[in-house]
Amino acid sequence: SYMLTQPPSMSVAPGQAARITCGGDSLGTHVVHWYQQKPGQAPVLVLYDDTDRPSGIPDRFSGSRSGTTATLTISRVEAGDEADFYCQFWDSSGDRRRVVFGGGTKLTVL
Amino acid sequence: QVQLVESGGGLVKPGGSLRLTCAVSGLDFGDSHMNWIRQSPGKGLEWIAYSSRSGRLLVYADSVTGRFTISRDSAKNAVYLVMNSLRADDTAVYYCASGWNSFHHWGQGTLVAVSS
Repeated sequence: SYMLTQPPSMSVAPGQAARITCGGDSLGTHVVHWYQQKPGQAPVLVLYDDTDRPSGIPDRFSGSRSGTTATLTISRVEAGDEADFYCQFWDSSGDRRRVVFGGGTKLTVL
Repeated sequence: QVQLVESGGGLVKPGGSLRLTCAVSGLDFGDSHMNWIRQSPGKGLEWIAYSSRSGRLLVYADSVTGRFTISRDSAKNAVYLVMNSLRADDTAVYYCASGWNSFHHWGQGTLVAVSS
């Protein structure tokens, strides 16, 4: 099945920036959304429509999209940011209707 | 405060059936698109079913088409997932989530284990 491509893992020191990428041909024509999932918890939406933050999400979380790659940037990373991150889009190409997730990126804060 | 609460999970034998319920509060349920999303142990997220606000448009992932059915009851502010012909690879935490395009609210999930 179709899946967006994310790096499986990345590590970053506290105070540094983390940039998590999400790639897929369909991203050239679809907006992307991002979720954070901490161990044992449900996912939480942190960005939608490429760049918008839901209420309560710190402005350290930002997003961008260029061509077929979307990027979630977490500036000034904190220990509490350690989690799995997933990108997602709603595929409505032609007659197709489906939701596609990336494989997830495990962010470790050193 | 928005709350989505799943129930109905448990242990079921291969080939068996189960019905999951998601009770919704704090949202205008009639104006809410609803979804079921699952996560197998140690794995990523997999969307499996969508219901439009009216319930007239239902969409399924290929992996569950013909076996799972999503439905909703506006009088009870609830969405359901009936799962038939369950297989071992259906073992997962099942989440309900509201939204079309992006999922702004999620429940805490209910565990479904398929094993003999």
